[in-house]
Amino acid sequence: EDQVTQSPEALRLQEGESSSLNCSYTVSGLRGLFWYRQDPGKGPEFLFTLYSAGEEKEKERLKATLTKKESFLHITAPKPEDSATYLCAVLTGTASKLTFGTGTRLQVTL
Amino acid sequence: DAGVIQSPRHEVTEMGQEVTLRCKPISGHNSLFWYRQTMMRGLELLIYFNNNVPIDDSGMPEDRFSAKMPNASFSTLKIQPSEPRDSAVYFCASSPGQGFSYEQYFGPGTRLTVT
Repeated sequence: EDQVTQSPEALRLQEGESSSLNCSYTVSGLRGLFWYRQDPGKGPEFLFTLYSAGEEKEKERLKATLTKKESFLHITAPKPEDSATYLCAVLTGTASKLTFGTGTRLQVTL
Repeated sequence: DAGVIQSPRHEVTEMGQEVTLRCKPISGHNSLFWYRQTMMRGLELLIYFNNNVPIDDSGMPEDRFSAKMPNASFSTLKIQPSEPRDSAVYFCASSPGQGFSYEQYFGPGTRLTVT
């Protein structure tokens, strides 16, 4: 069975304090790994898709990387508006559907 | 585009009642997904439609749940009869391609409370 684990469950950072969120997975035949951002009371919002180990993608203060066992979402010099829950999801050939992790709740304070 | 539209945003009902959740996907999107989100289990896929046809309903919990997509601009998720354990936030999402390889655009969700 495909498994996706995100850590930490919650993270509190001060503005400007860079950090990384982790998404580790145990799957057969990874076809893609997705990162979404979810604000309270809203639906998830797509951020990135990574397809193969070594791939990196960036958007503003966010950079996503992928290895054969995990993905990192690096947040550089975060701002309070980066506060949200970040979800990762994996797509595998065997499951043919997305399996979501339970997310990391990020809070960025002034 | 207004994005994915869901109604109602909140629904409170008593156990045993029928509940119908509605979704209007983004125009031109071929795929539609219904998800359920709870604190304990996170985000779970219930059913996936492509070109209005149900492709994968293996996530539908039991026969009390049913979903339809009569046309490209409308879908419903029905629970009959509802139970307290159905309390969750239900999301509808659409995507421009077939399957799960494309980014999905989520609606704001319907928060369902069954008492």
